[in-house]
Amino acid sequence: AQKITQTQPGMFVQEKEAVTLDCTYDTSDPSYGLFWYKQPSSGEMIFLIYQGSYDQQNATEGRYSLNFQKARKSANLVISASQLGDSAMYFCAMSYAGNMLTFGGGTRLMVKP
Amino acid sequence: GAVVSQHPSWVICKSGTSVKIECRSLDFQATTMFWYRQFPKQSLMLMATSNEGSKATYEQGVEKDKFLINHASLTLSTLTVTSAHPEDSSFYICSARAGDRGRNQPQHFGDGTRLSIL
Repeated sequence: AQKITQTQPGMFVQEKEAVTLDCTYDTSDPSYGLFWYKQPSSGEMIFLIYQGSYDQQNATEGRYSLNFQKARKSANLVISASQLGDSAMYFCAMSYAGNMLTFGGGTRLMVKP
Repeated sequence: GAVVSQHPSWVICKSGTSVKIECRSLDFQATTMFWYRQFPKQSLMLMATSNEGSKATYEQGVEKDKFLINHASLTLSTLTVTSAHPEDSSFYICSARAGDRGRNQPQHFGDGTRLSIL
């Protein structure tokens, strides 16, 4: 069975500083994908970044980077130079059975001015 | 690209009413769409996988007769909450994936529907 764990229910970060959101996963499938989504208070789910299980390099997308440690089964999201607009819920998710996603419990990030 | 539109965004109705939610992929075709439910301050829980031209696949514990899913075309899936009751009040959100079935394709989400049953 697939399982995603986000151990930080809430986090604060000072504006312009970097922050790391933790994500660990468990799966017996050798091929999988890891995703991070942002959900503002308005509710929409915004795709941020993807990491494939066979990817050799850590994924980066602008201010977002994914610290992928396969042996430890972790896929932490790093947001550099935090902005006030980064305040939101962040969900880590894993694809399985080719199509489906299972989500972690989420981390609420609050950026302080 | 890869825009998913969901309608309506907010519904308030009386107990016993059936409510239909539409999910459309605007600029791509989706043979598979997904329906999720999210309670306040909780994560998304997959309810069912909607397959174009065939029956939906429901997750364990989700009532098929309660949550009717129709995926009549490659760009439209609908979720009908039949005879809704207050406990059905929740945030419902759909998603679809553009491109092939490769695992590196992200799911793109609609903006969600807030359903409030009085």
